[in-house]
Amino acid sequence: GAVVSQHPSRVICKSGTSVKIECRSLDFQATTMFWYRQFPKQSLMLMATSNEGSKATYEQGVEKDKFLINHASLTLSTLTVTSAHPEDSSFYICSALPQRGYPDTQYFGPGTRLTVL
Amino acid sequence: GNSVTQMEGPVTLSEEAFLTINCTYTATGYPSLFWYVQYPGEGLQLLLKATKADDKGSNKGFEATYRKETTSFHLEKGSVQVSDSAVYFCALPISSGSARQLTFGSGTQLTVLP
Repeated sequence: GAVVSQHPSRVICKSGTSVKIECRSLDFQATTMFWYRQFPKQSLMLMATSNEGSKATYEQGVEKDKFLINHASLTLSTLTVTSAHPEDSSFYICSALPQRGYPDTQYFGPGTRLTVL
Repeated sequence: GNSVTQMEGPVTLSEEAFLTINCTYTATGYPSLFWYVQYPGEGLQLLLKATKADDKGSNKGFEATYRKETTSFHLEKGSVQVSDSAVYFCALPISSGSARQLTFGSGTQLTVLP
């Protein structure tokens, strides 16, 4: 149980295009999801907290107009990287907090590798 | 806010060797503490956790004890296997009042040789 999927797993795009990444909780409902960014051989950096039915909360230094987050249902959150540039290339990971069960345990997706040419 | 300091890697061990990865934290109060594992090309998986002082979390032969005296949560395994090769992250909530947003250590790359 507590499986989180991400789609796509890997995407390559041209500079200036927008890319949407989906995060789904497959067997549980999640009112809260998180989006992280991970650079090679580095730790995870929290980008934003996504709450179902409300606006996302962004961490300091993260451009909300650049990284659009939508959490339209209890099982789906999307991250759209708008007008992507090479410096946006990274590994993006989402996590979800089950609505029921352990309130402090996040379940992570497998990640999406974004490469901007 | 809370923070965590993790042992620098990489760590290379032979199969069946004893593993310790150090993790110390700074926190207000006594938040839950976590170890996550990341296998190559994958997201993070919860390995174990401890929710209060003196608790011991354990899973798959790994253990970690929540020690408030030394503000530590060191990860240990008595006999590692090649399949344990991965990156290990220590984590805790960003603030003790929040049980949700996590802050992670820098990660420790473990390689186990046959």
